[in-house]
Formats: sequence, structure tokens, C-alpha cells
Amino acid sequence: IAGITQAPTSQILAAGRRMTLRCTQDMRHNAMYWYRQDLGLGLRLIHYSNTAGTTGKGEVPDGYSVSRANTDDFPLTLASAVPSQTSVYFCASSGDSGFGYTFGSGTRLTVV
Amino acid sequence: AQKVTQAQTEISVVEKEDVTLDCVYETRDTTYYLFWYKQPPSGELVFLIRRNSFDEQNEISGRYSWNFQKSTSSFNFTITASQVVDSAVYFCALSGLEEMDSNYQLIWGAGTKLIIKP
Repeated sequence: IAGITQAPTSQILAAGRRMTLRCTQDMRHNAMYWYRQDLGLGLRLIHYSNTAGTTGKGEVPDGYSVSRANTDDFPLTLASAVPSQTSVYFCASSGDSGFGYTFGSGTRLTVV
Repeated sequence: AQKVTQAQTEISVVEKEDVTLDCVYETRDTTYYLFWYKQPPSGELVFLIRRNSFDEQNEISGRYSWNFQKSTSSFNFTITASQVVDSAVYFCALSGLEEMDSNYQLIWGAGTKLIIKP
């Protein structure tokens, strides 16, 4: 692993189903983030974690939950998927505010 | 509050033309960082540059250059002699230390879609 790994790459999910998007980093970065990207709306922050054991809500947290049990992993869970959660999801990490983010390659999720 | 504005939603130019992407930011922080990221059609987000608030020197990297002006709160990005491969969405972002309750978060502009026609 080098950088950030997201899984799955893409997924078609039936509405009402539960889904966890996985994100793992190997850079020992303190902070991790989940964004969704929708056409014409840029990047919107869902949840973040400044350090292992802590999480916070971003701009669009409803319908999503996260956990940060350790430094490397930051899974995003959709408890009961809805079509409006169809999007591309990016995980990112940062070791310091001055270094910006390293992004994963994204997960394309379609809820039908 | 912190804010990043990329007023140009989409720009289309012919190959070999120069093009400037505008970025205007707002922050009350005295120490902050500015970034540009590129998102090509393949979808990944690629880091281009970081600039801290105490360094106003312009930066040039090949055909790319960045003009940071604190007086106008702008951090504009110019591509010289554009190429088709430059076609992408470009995002400007800001990270401040004092205003945010988290000192790691980036504030993102909405992005500018750049189309380079052959």
C-alpha cells in the first residue's frame, strides 16, 4: 500500500441496504476526511477525524457515520442507502495543515 | 469565516493559448496555506502546489505559474501554451490555523472546468 486505498472502486447498491466504504492510509497521517463529489457541486465534506479516536461532522453528515479506531483506517457507513447518496466518494488524509491532502482514488456509488 | 471563490465555472481555449484560473479567498487568519489541485477526466485528485501566507513570491513550474497577492486575496493559476492534456477541473483550497476548530481542514472552491481544444 502506498498512500490511500479506497474500496470498493465502484458499487451499485439497492436502496435501504447498508454499505461501508473502506479507507486505509499508510502514511501515519493524523487527520482523515470523507468527501462526496457531485456534478456541479465540487467537494463537500461529510465527516472528518483529526486523530484516532475522534470524529467530527462536516457539511453534509446526514445519513453517514464514521469511526476512527486507529490511525490507518477511516470507514464510512451508509446505514440505509438512499438514491440521493449516489455520488463519488473520496477519502483523504493530512499530516499537517500545511501539507494539504492526499486523496484516494475514489469510490463511485450508485444507489438504485 | 473562511471562503474560497472560483468565479469561473468553465473556461474553454484553443491549444497553445495561455489561460489564467482565478482564485479569491477570505480568511481572518494571519497564517494560512493555499493550494491548487487538478482533477483530470480520469477522476483522481492531484496536488499541484502549496503556498504559505508569508511567501508571496510567484512560483513557476514548467508551463504552470502561480501569482499570490495578499493585497487582493488572490492566488491565481496560469497555464502557458496550454495543451489538451491540461483539460481538467482545477480546485483552489485554503487552510487556516486559527479560525477553524480543526487545524487540518481545507476550504475548497467550487472548481473551474478547463477545456483545451485541439
